[in-house]
Amino acid sequence: DAGITQSPRHKVTETGTPVTLRCHQTENHRYMYWYRQDPGHGLRLIHYSYGVKDTDKGEVSDGYSVSRSKTEDFLLTLESATSSQTSVYFCAITPGQGHEQYFGPGTRLTVT
Amino acid sequence: DQQVKQNSPSLSVQEGRISILNCDYTNSMFDYFLWYKKYPAEGPTFLISISSIKDKNEDGRFTVFLNKSAKHLSLHIVPSQPGDSAVYFCAASAQVGAQKLVFGQGTRLTINP
Repeated sequence: DAGITQSPRHKVTETGTPVTLRCHQTENHRYMYWYRQDPGHGLRLIHYSYGVKDTDKGEVSDGYSVSRSKTEDFLLTLESATSSQTSVYFCAITPGQGHEQYFGPGTRLTVT
Repeated sequence: DQQVKQNSPSLSVQEGRISILNCDYTNSMFDYFLWYKKYPAEGPTFLISISSIKDKNEDGRFTVFLNKSAKHLSLHIVPSQPGDSAVYFCAASAQVGAQKLVFGQGTRLTINP
């Protein structure tokens, strides 16, 4: 157990509304990541963070923003949700200097 | 352009036999490779990894083989058990620090009794 929680676990929202997903970790890991999982694509990196207020873009960052004001929380925001952002979103952390990432339980987001 | 590919969407294996999952990559800068297992409604769980300086890494029933010249890696599970039924993702990384993993599409493994 990597001590990662995600909230909400499920959300249904309408096109055009803002949505914020939260990732919370309890072990002060420096690196945190947001991925989305879609059929046929595996997991794709949206944004990542390498410290408080330090974030960078991943492979599929368009339409998403992130914030990290505290070590333990990494927020993913969809400013104006679209149907193409219907997906399962996973948060991950890297403990120490290793390559392995450990994932949270995921948030299933449906945009109608 | 898919840098990491798992060309078999699904694989069915009899319990007790060997399961072999394959993964190909195109980016020669990748220097670390990982396998993850995913059950429905759960996050991926780390299974085993291998550095590009090795060609084999073993952990219990799981062995990962890396063929750098062919840009190919495989995961062997022996003997296969019903609890191994899951989706398996391979992933690759090309830098230290913030590890930006690139994942394959996944292979659904079904172990039949």
